[in-house]
Amino acid sequence: GNSVTQMEGPVTLSEEAFLTINCTYTATGYPSLFWYVQYPGEGLQLLLKATKADDKGSNKGFEATYRKETTSFHLEKGSVQVSDSAVYFCALTDSSYKLIFGSGTRLLVRP
Amino acid sequence: KAGVTQTPRYLIKTRGQQVTLSCSPISGHRSVSWYQQTPGQGLQFLFEYFSETQRNKGNFPGRFSGRQFSNSRSEMNVSTLELGDSALYLCASSLGYTGGDSPLHFGNGTRLTVT
Repeated sequence: GNSVTQMEGPVTLSEEAFLTINCTYTATGYPSLFWYVQYPGEGLQLLLKATKADDKGSNKGFEATYRKETTSFHLEKGSVQVSDSAVYFCALTDSSYKLIFGSGTRLLVRP
Repeated sequence: KAGVTQTPRYLIKTRGQQVTLSCSPISGHRSVSWYQQTPGQGLQFLFEYFSETQRNKGNFPGRFSGRQFSNSRSEMNVSTLELGDSALYLCASSLGYTGGDSPLHFGNGTRLTVT
């Protein structure tokens, strides 16, 4: 079945470090891919999305490229801030239009 | 514009009881989806409603049910509660169907604890 696999956390970085959170997927057809972020005590917010191969989604300094050949959608940011500390979820919409989430990766940024 | 509102924010129930959770979507949004979030299973899709009709359903037992009203507000009901139902229940709304160009907007969730 369709699934999303994310790297296990927590990921701990110092402020201004480079961030990569790996995400790979298994799906039939051509899913849309998403990154959502969940701050403590809140619901999820859409961070960025890509709807077809080679699309790059970007927002707030984060970016991810839809790589069909490697079935990946890795999240990157050049310089993280303490305020980026949160849980990040990779997700896809499958052929039945359900949103399937990865297990989430907690990011902790230290000053 | 008000966001997605879920009530109550916290709930404590006893095994065997039933519970109803409420979700008010963003004004104009016609799709409401429900998700269960637990540390062990992560985020799991429960169901989606669009214009008062259930459009999609996840792999949950029949104890989990929902409905959507003509104003797009939605309720989720869980009957005969089990300890394993303790979770954060998230509601999300969107203009159109999930999977289309309309992004999901999530509420802050209802934290249900079953004792």
